[in-house]
This record gives sequence, C-alpha cells and structure tokens, in this order.
Amino acid sequence: DAKTTQPPSMDCAEGRAANLPCNHSTISGNEYVYWYRQIHSQGPQYIIHGLKNNETNEMASLIITEDRKSSTLILPHATLRDTAVYYCIAFEAGSGDKLTFGTGTRLAVRP
Amino acid sequence: DTGVSQDPRHKITKRGQNVTFRCDPISEHNRLYWYRQTLGQGPEFLTYFQNEAQLEKSRLLSDRFSAERPKGSFSTLEIQRTEQGDSAMYLCASSPQTSTDEQFFGPGTRLTVL
Repeated sequence: DAKTTQPPSMDCAEGRAANLPCNHSTISGNEYVYWYRQIHSQGPQYIIHGLKNNETNEMASLIITEDRKSSTLILPHATLRDTAVYYCIAFEAGSGDKLTFGTGTRLAVRP
Repeated sequence: DTGVSQDPRHKITKRGQNVTFRCDPISEHNRLYWYRQTLGQGPEFLTYFQNEAQLEKSRLLSDRFSAERPKGSFSTLEIQRTEQGDSAMYLCASSPQTSTDEQFFGPGTRLTVL
C-alpha cells in the first residue's frame, strides 16, 4: 500500500500557483519524498524529490514540513500543459527499490 | 531521442494468444523496471532487473508472465494465454545506479485483450 495520501482532484487558474498537498505521516527516516506526474496517455515523469530540506528546480518547488509528515509541491505559474495526475511517493533513494504509486491528485489547469 | 522506448505502443490481441513487449532503456542505466497500469489507477510494480539479473517479482506477475533482460540491455515482457484482465498499459522504466534513483519512464504499451 502507498504510504502517502493525496486529494483526488484539484484545479487552479492558468498563471497562478498550484499547491498540491501530500500527507506521509508514516514516512521513515531514510525515505525521501518523490513527486512524479503523468500527463494523459504518457509515462510518468519525475519532477522533484527531497528528504527534509525544501527543494527547487526548473519545474517546481517542494516544501517539506519540519516533522516530515507532509509536503507540498508548488508549480509557481501553472500552464495548461501542467494538467496531469501528480503522484507523491515515499521512497528510499539508493535502494533500487520499486516506486509505489497511489492514485495521485488529478490537477486541472483552467484557462 | 535517447529516452526509454517501448514497442509496440499498442497491441490488440484475442484471448488466449501470447504477446511480447520490448523495452529499450536509456543506455548505461543498469536498473530496469516493469509496471502495469489500469484505468484510473497508478502504476503497479511487476518486476525489476539490475543488469541481467531479475531481482524482484511482484505477486501480480503470475506464471503466465515472464520477463527477461539478456545481456543487461533491452528487456522483454511476455504474457502467455492472455486474459481480458491483462488489458492495461505496460510501462517500462530505467534508472542509473545513483543516490537519487530517479526512474525514467517510457511511453508504455497499451494492451487490449478481446
């Protein structure tokens, strides 16, 4: 079973920030929080990951609470192409382990 | 394009037939994964290779399923005696053996069993 819980759907207006929450209250100390997204009919795409510090890359920012029980993925200026299912996954980096996907959050970006 | 490729992209078959899918990972990625995804669900793990060794298989991988990765390069997934319940998207991913373990996914093979 997935160790994370996410809202099933969200929407936001184009050009605005999209904030996608994830709860992972049972995450273990050596597990990272990974985010992937899946645009319709394509394979999942890696977005970002972090352990306990906030992270930012060209796609998104990841904010992890101090107790590591939850996190938020931020798409700073959402576009229509960001419409996708977003998956939050607790994963032990370096283990070569499989990814355990939940059902994710379906983000709809409105024009 | 140097990403993960899968062939075919779509396969329609009749129940009881055998099918084989191919995955070409990113070169020099020694880890290769197969996942299956049904409508409305996230991908589910099937099996994992490190180089040519198959290190883990899910309980989802019944004895009708077999996967190989000869020479640690491309991989094949074969389903024998297909059933309608096998209809799904079959996804392949590869990753380098690094501390980040980012998995790169292919576009998938959509299987429809009639």
